[in-house]
Amino acid sequence: DAEITQSPRHKITETGRQVTLACHQTWNHNNMFWYRQDLGHGLRLIHYSYGVHDTNKGEVSDGYSVSRSNTEDLPLTLESAASSQTSVYFCASTGTSDYNEQFFGPGTRLTVL
Amino acid sequence: GQNIDQPTEMTATEGAIVQINCTYQTSGFNGLFWYQQHAGEAPTFLSYNVLDGLEEKGRFSSFLSRSKGYSYLLLKELQMKDSASYLCAVIDSNYQLIWGAGTKLIIKP
Repeated sequence: DAEITQSPRHKITETGRQVTLACHQTWNHNNMFWYRQDLGHGLRLIHYSYGVHDTNKGEVSDGYSVSRSNTEDLPLTLESAASSQTSVYFCASTGTSDYNEQFFGPGTRLTVL
Repeated sequence: GQNIDQPTEMTATEGAIVQINCTYQTSGFNGLFWYQQHAGEAPTFLSYNVLDGLEEKGRFSSFLSRSKGYSYLLLKELQMKDSASYLCAVIDSNYQLIWGAGTKLIIKP
């Protein structure tokens, strides 16, 4: 079955370190998204991509970067992790159904100490 | 700015009916989603409305009034497994999804 996976599922790192979160989908979707979810906030868009070599900044992109070298993967990199980036990160992709609903990965819980 | 408002938390009884409201002020409107999110899990799609009116899907229904910037999710015959957060999200004029903070629904026996 097609799916969207994220790794690692849990990560603890130190302030200032570079961290990369992986996202892989097997639906062959063109559109992929990265969100962070914090208590009291809705899902907030970090970066998104509409296809290979396309990347765009979302609402809270500072301190994050993405690259899209193939259809399946959209890794998210925290250049220099900060405690404010402690959060749960979700990757999502959009299909081509009537609704264009987003399908979410299981999430990565990141703690920056 | 863009804003989506939902109650933070609601409590209901097993077997009953509950209505979760969502009001939005966004730059444009191209549709509204409801998602369900169990604790520690990813959001999953429940419903989509783009025209005014009621969409029914089994025990769940979603209503939209574009003129009022208002939607609700109606859950009937509540079951314990319906305990979750319910997220409202609006597609704005740039086809970006704007998310509400979610409503945590607690079901009591």
